[in-house]
Amino acid sequence: DADVTQTPRNRITKTGKRIMLECSQTKGHDRMYWYRQDPGLGLRLIYYSFDVKDINKGEISDGYSVSRQAQAKFSLSLESAIPNQTALYFCATSDFSPIGTDTQYFGPGTRLTVL
Amino acid sequence: SQQGEEDPQALSIQEGENATMNCSYKTSINNLQWYRQNSGRGLVHLILIRSNEREKHSGRLRVTLDTSKKSSSLLITASRAADTASYFCATARLGGYQKVTFGTGTKLQVIP
Repeated sequence: DADVTQTPRNRITKTGKRIMLECSQTKGHDRMYWYRQDPGLGLRLIYYSFDVKDINKGEISDGYSVSRQAQAKFSLSLESAIPNQTALYFCATSDFSPIGTDTQYFGPGTRLTVL
Repeated sequence: SQQGEEDPQALSIQEGENATMNCSYKTSINNLQWYRQNSGRGLVHLILIRSNEREKHSGRLRVTLDTSKKSSSLLITASRAADTASYFCATARLGGYQKVTFGTGTKLQVIP
């Protein structure tokens, strides 16, 4: 079984709809991340969480919110989807390294299309 | 803004040849990592090099780091068709939260 899973894998929705993307992990990591990937722009960090009570904004958090329901679960919400949020979304996890060498483990991605 | 930028954006080689990708970054780093992404899939960690290291090997991968030039290179030797993927560098900055920033990637095609 995959260590980091994302649901759904594909989603098509309409402008203005509320969407939730879910991420679960069995790696036992405290740190979880949400990224979006757009062609030519690489990965950009939306939100990250270092433990259940810790939520931090990334570089492109506007229009998104997150919830860390448990150590293993981190969900991303689009309160009112807009077309420029069409992208590939990735969840990732990492374990804390005191020397700063966290390696991130990625889920398979969710392809979201907003019409 | 992107911390790391890969060069070239795309690379096409014959199977058996070596592939070299470069990454340049802007600020001081704690470490630099390379990740691989098969089309439409999640990224997979390949190798990490710390700021006090100059070269590192893992199988057919060789990574170099030049902190004075703020650049790194990834060399894949004896490439295989299965190496076809996009490759991203990711830099971790010094101080505070070890924020990891990904570059824009190099798309490698290995022709059988």
